[in-house]
Amino acid sequence: EAQVTQNPRYLITVTGKKLTVTCSQNMNHEYMSWYRQDPGLGLRQIYYSMNVEVTDKGDVPEGYKVSRKEKRNFPLILESPSPNQTSLYFCASGRLVDTQYFGPGTRLTVL
Amino acid sequence: AQSVAQPEDQVNVAEGNPLTVKCTYSVSGNPYLFWYVQYPNRGLQFLLKYITGDNLVKGSYGFEAEFNKSQTSFHLKKPSALVSDSALYFCAVRDYSGNTPLVFGKGTRLSVIA
Repeated sequence: EAQVTQNPRYLITVTGKKLTVTCSQNMNHEYMSWYRQDPGLGLRQIYYSMNVEVTDKGDVPEGYKVSRKEKRNFPLILESPSPNQTSLYFCASGRLVDTQYFGPGTRLTVL
Repeated sequence: AQSVAQPEDQVNVAEGNPLTVKCTYSVSGNPYLFWYVQYPNRGLQFLLKYITGDNLVKGSYGFEAEFNKSQTSFHLKKPSALVSDSALYFCAVRDYSGNTPLVFGKGTRLSVIA
């Protein structure tokens, strides 16, 4: 089944404790991206990747890191999470100019 | 830089009535345009897209959208709304001309009232 998977789906952590949210797709897509969704602010892009070893900042990259060592994986890293990073996170993948497929989301709470 | 505007945070419509969710965009070249829907506690799902060709695009669940280049709009429509259409709708645009990311609007919450 073609899909984008994210783990964990829910995470509660404390300020400053490094965490990684994994994202994996099995559709051989070049383009992958991370978004955060906050009430009243819609969907904001954090980082995106056009292909392996190619990543770029989106609208809200501060406090996040990403890597794209393999085509299928695009982990999101929070080196020192803060409460303002409490949000709902989505990973997506797709062809560069085509439909994006979204993961189920990761709800992160930083205390 | 490309951008998308969804001027309405909320749209309310009675079941059976036609619905429109508005979207306007700005790109330097030609646009690729998309609509996505998000049901409660779910990820975003693709509804329809405009890449090229007919200005009227038909998508999933009876939705359609009309690309209007002169007005830079891509409004989402459905002739007869269902209560189950109640969800959050996102318009997105990508500039055809280069390696640019997909940009989303802030979303419009559609409520269909029985």
